[in-house]
Amino acid sequence: GDSVTQMEGPVTLSEEAFLTINCTYTATGYPSLFWYVQYPGEGLQLLLKATKADDKGSNKGFEATYRKETTSFHLEKGSVQVSDSAVYFCALGGNEKLTFGTGTRLTIIP
Amino acid sequence: SAVISQKPSRDICQRGTSLTIQCQVDSQVTMMFWYRQQPGQSLTLIATANQGSEATYESGFVIDKFPISRPNLTFSTLTVSNMSPEDSSIYLCSIKRDSYEQYFGPGTRLTVT
Repeated sequence: GDSVTQMEGPVTLSEEAFLTINCTYTATGYPSLFWYVQYPGEGLQLLLKATKADDKGSNKGFEATYRKETTSFHLEKGSVQVSDSAVYFCALGGNEKLTFGTGTRLTIIP
Repeated sequence: SAVISQKPSRDICQRGTSLTIQCQVDSQVTMMFWYRQQPGQSLTLIATANQGSEATYESGFVIDKFPISRPNLTFSTLTVSNMSPEDSSIYLCSIKRDSYEQYFGPGTRLTVT
């Protein structure tokens, strides 16, 4: 079945550092790929998405490119801020349900 | 996006009791989902709730334990029955508005003592 393997956490970075959170997937067909973010004490929010190979999703300075050849959807940001501290979930979805990775807790220190 | 609300936002319950969680959406949607997020874990789909049909449960989840209602296109409930401490989790409803995206409610944080 479908599965998502996500970079183990927690990850701690200094403000303005470069961020990469790795995500690879296994799926039949051509799923859509997502990054969700969960800020402390809040619900799950869609951060970005890509619906087909070579699509790049972007939002709030974060980017991820749907790489079919490497079955990956790594999340990147060039300069992180303290406000980016949250748990990040990679997910894939077909027509119905979403399959989530285990989540990566990111902490940014000033 | 959509406005999704859940009630209660949190609760502390005794083992052996049941809790019904409500999910209200500000507009009509066909597909609604219920997820569980155990402490420090990822999200796991419990069931898909489509209006006018029985909920479809994922492996490991059964209707007797997690009965779901979907009386109309804007509302659903999930009941956690005969609770044990292992049921302590955040329960989230979500909706699917177009072909790709799901939007999540704020979650219900349940603690079973």
